[in-house]
Amino acid sequence: NAGVTQTPKFQVLKTGQSMTLQCAQDMNHNSMYWYRQDPGMGLRLIYYSASEGTTDKGEVPNGYNVSRLNKREFSLRLESAAPSQTSVYFCASRDREDTEAFFGQGTRLTVV
Amino acid sequence: LAKTTQPISMDSYEGQEVNITCSHNNIATNDYITWYQQFPSQGPRFIIQGYKTKVTNEVASLFIPADRKSSTLSLPRVSLSDTAVYYCLVGDTYRDDKIIFGKGTRLHILP
Repeated sequence: NAGVTQTPKFQVLKTGQSMTLQCAQDMNHNSMYWYRQDPGMGLRLIYYSASEGTTDKGEVPNGYNVSRLNKREFSLRLESAAPSQTSVYFCASRDREDTEAFFGQGTRLTVV
Repeated sequence: LAKTTQPISMDSYEGQEVNITCSHNNIATNDYITWYQQFPSQGPRFIIQGYKTKVTNEVASLFIPADRKSSTLSLPRVSLSDTAVYYCLVGDTYRDDKIIFGKGTRLHILP
């Protein structure tokens, strides 16, 4: 039982490049989340998905797109990376009937 | 979603009891209070949740007064490994899928 798995763990992009951050959970959770965390700051919600086929904007959605591919997977795409998107990205999942969210280990992204 | 206010940082010593207070003046009737802990370079992990009065588990206690406008996370006899950021969240987690984190409290335990 791996929990929430994020890939890759580290990535360096050049400005303007695109990439997709992958997240998968094996806990059969309905809700999934993407956050970013800048150095010394709290987590900010980018997008979330309450169920397969639905996605909603969070606090800071600009510059990102998401896909809830199936119940297990929720990907985050940067179409044209900018230095301001340098951050640590966390994926999380939660069962609708439970309040506890489970987080992945994060993806450290640097845009140069 | 209710706005929360916590101290930015706190220092304490090993073996002490640490209390972190969170203010949430506009908490709604259906809102729960949830605390998460985040170690450096890791994702947050759930510590405790409560609605009113007192909740205790193997990690911490959560004290909520009758008016529910604040709550206090209590960590008994802290050790160096309790150095982390602690987040207080308030929301109707059974009806609202959105989970919003504030800035948290950076707790530094000294030897």
